[in-house]
Amino acid sequence: GQQVMQIPQYQHVQEGEDFTTYCNSSTTLSNIQWYKQRPGGHPVFLIQLVKSGEVKKQKRLTFQFGEAKKNSSLHITATQTTDVGTYFCAGYMDSNYQLIWGAGTKLIIKP
Amino acid sequence: EAGVAQSPRYKIIEKRQSVAFWCNPISGHATLYWYQQILGQGPKLLIQFQNNGVVDDSQLPKDRFSAERLKGVDSTLKIQPAKLEDSAVYLCASSLDGQGRNSPLHFGNGTRLTVT
Repeated sequence: GQQVMQIPQYQHVQEGEDFTTYCNSSTTLSNIQWYKQRPGGHPVFLIQLVKSGEVKKQKRLTFQFGEAKKNSSLHITATQTTDVGTYFCAGYMDSNYQLIWGAGTKLIIKP
Repeated sequence: EAGVAQSPRYKIIEKRQSVAFWCNPISGHATLYWYQQILGQGPKLLIQFQNNGVVDDSQLPKDRFSAERLKGVDSTLKIQPAKLEDSAVYLCASSLDGQGRNSPLHFGNGTRLTVT
């Protein structure tokens, strides 16, 4: 079936280091959304990418959508403790109304 | 604007009992979703409504789960009878767009279900 693969599953970083999570789809996406879920919380919408090759920034977060609209990435520069949580990508398939979720990447700050 | 409201916040039941969850989406949002999230996993769509019609219920275990969205607003999700593997957080979300493609999902706080 249609899938969105997200890697890595976990990433441990020292505070101040960078963090990146990647999503890859087997089929073309009409758009892709990114969500953040804090421990014990619910997913919160961060951003949506629609255009091929689109790059958007939110302060220390940079989101990219691939030229083929099959992959996307989220990069956080100089992580802070407030960045802790699980980051999910979710893509809409071109062919139907389904929003397919990645499995998430958990960002863990090393003490 | 008021967010997505869900109740109850927590529920503990024994296996084979029944349980119901309630969701009130953001006013004016056409699309409503019920997700199941097992600890450490991503959300799994159970059912998606557009207004009061079902768009996708392909992953809903219909032998035990049912959902309805009366008058295209509030929704209830029921499990009868519950199994141990139903222990999870049940998240309700809504989106503005009628087809749900270009609008972000707004989630409620969820109901944490424990089946013993």
